[in-house]
Amino acid sequence: NAGVTQTPKFQVLKTGQSMTLQCAQDMNHEYMSWYRQDPGMGLRLIHYSVGAGITDQGEVPNGYNVSRSTTEDFPLRLLSAAPSQTSVYFCASRPSTTYTEAFFGQGTRLTVV
Amino acid sequence: GEDVEQSLFLSVREGDSSVINCTYTDSSSTYLYWYKQEPGAGLQLLTYIFSNMDMKQDQRLTVLLNKKDKHLSLRIADTQTGDSAIYFCAERKDTGRRALTFGSGTRLQVQP
Repeated sequence: NAGVTQTPKFQVLKTGQSMTLQCAQDMNHEYMSWYRQDPGMGLRLIHYSVGAGITDQGEVPNGYNVSRSTTEDFPLRLLSAAPSQTSVYFCASRPSTTYTEAFFGQGTRLTVV
Repeated sequence: GEDVEQSLFLSVREGDSSVINCTYTDSSSTYLYWYKQEPGAGLQLLTYIFSNMDMKQDQRLTVLLNKKDKHLSLRIADTQTGDSAIYFCAERKDTGRRALTFGSGTRLQVQP
């Protein structure tokens, strides 16, 4: 049981490049979410999904796209990276029967230069 | 302003009790959480409390909730050097996205 797995752990992008942050969970959780963590701030919700085929915007969705084709995977796409997207990104999951995000990935540290 | 506020830093001596405080503004919050983040790691859920409770105890952790003042605290008894981390308070509203809103975190430093 691996829990929530994020890849890569570190990434440096040039402004304008695109990339996909991967998130996978093996717990059959319906609910998955992406947060970003900036220095001196708490985590802020980017996008979330309540199940395969269903996604919705969080607090800071601009510049990011998501899709949920399977229960296990919830990738986050940056179409045209900007320096303001330099941050640490966390993926989380939980069963739909609970309200507690108890399972977080280890994070992806992204730097956009 | 911030929905959830925490002080930035707390330093205690090993063996003492630590008290980390948090205030929130939304009275519709139904669940309040404490997470721990160690350097380079993801968030670990420590404990949570329902809004209809005043106190919850779990081994060395005690959570106190004052709904009238919208104040939440986490007390760590017999603080150890392994407790050094950033502690985040978070609330879940019962409306809208029902997503978590986090405070900015309190860095706890435990001096040997």
